[in-house]
Amino acid sequence: DGGITQSPKYLFRKEGQNVTLSCEQNLNHDAMYWYRQDPGQGLRLIYYSQIVNDFQKGDIAEGYSVSREKKESFPLTVTSAQKNPTAFYLCASSPRQGARNEQYFGPGTRLTVT
Amino acid sequence: GNSVTQMEGPVTLSEEAFLTINCTYTATGYPSLFWYVQYPGEGLQLLLKATKADDKGSNKGFEATYRKETTSFHLEKGSVQVSDSAVYFCALLRNNAGNMLTFGGGTRLMVKP
Repeated sequence: DGGITQSPKYLFRKEGQNVTLSCEQNLNHDAMYWYRQDPGQGLRLIYYSQIVNDFQKGDIAEGYSVSREKKESFPLTVTSAQKNPTAFYLCASSPRQGARNEQYFGPGTRLTVT
Repeated sequence: GNSVTQMEGPVTLSEEAFLTINCTYTATGYPSLFWYVQYPGEGLQLLLKATKADDKGSNKGFEATYRKETTSFHLEKGSVQVSDSAVYFCALLRNNAGNMLTFGGGTRLMVKP
């Protein structure tokens, strides 16, 4: 089945540690995105990538980093510089830009930092 | 800039009631508009979309019409079911490179038997 997988579903970390969230897609989509969801605030864009080896900051990139070495994979690292890392993180992908394409979402990873 | 405003929830309805969730937007030009649904503990699923003015998106009994004159995209369903309980997000596709979405804050719908 084609789709987007995110792992793990739940992740717990101590404050001050970096943590990497996985996102893999087998939809052959060019573009991939990372969002953060906080209660009552909808989704906010962290980073996006339109093509392999290229990525751009979204609206709230501070404290996060990404890589796009393969078309299928777009991992997100939450660094210790992120002041409020506890949130629900959603990865998405879409076909090549410019065609008003919708985004397809993964099941999300809930990160708790204590 | 781009923004999406949704009515605040939660919206609580009895089964078979009529549903309206309001959504208005601010954007340059005529962006594509979307409704996504999120069931508890899951990611978002596309519910319906409209790409130009006066288009009506529909799916699973839900409908929304792209109203340019009122910059709105209200979600409606004639008869809700308990299984429709979820959070609904209105979103617009920004008119720039990257296919980036701007989301509203989400509206939680609770349907009681």
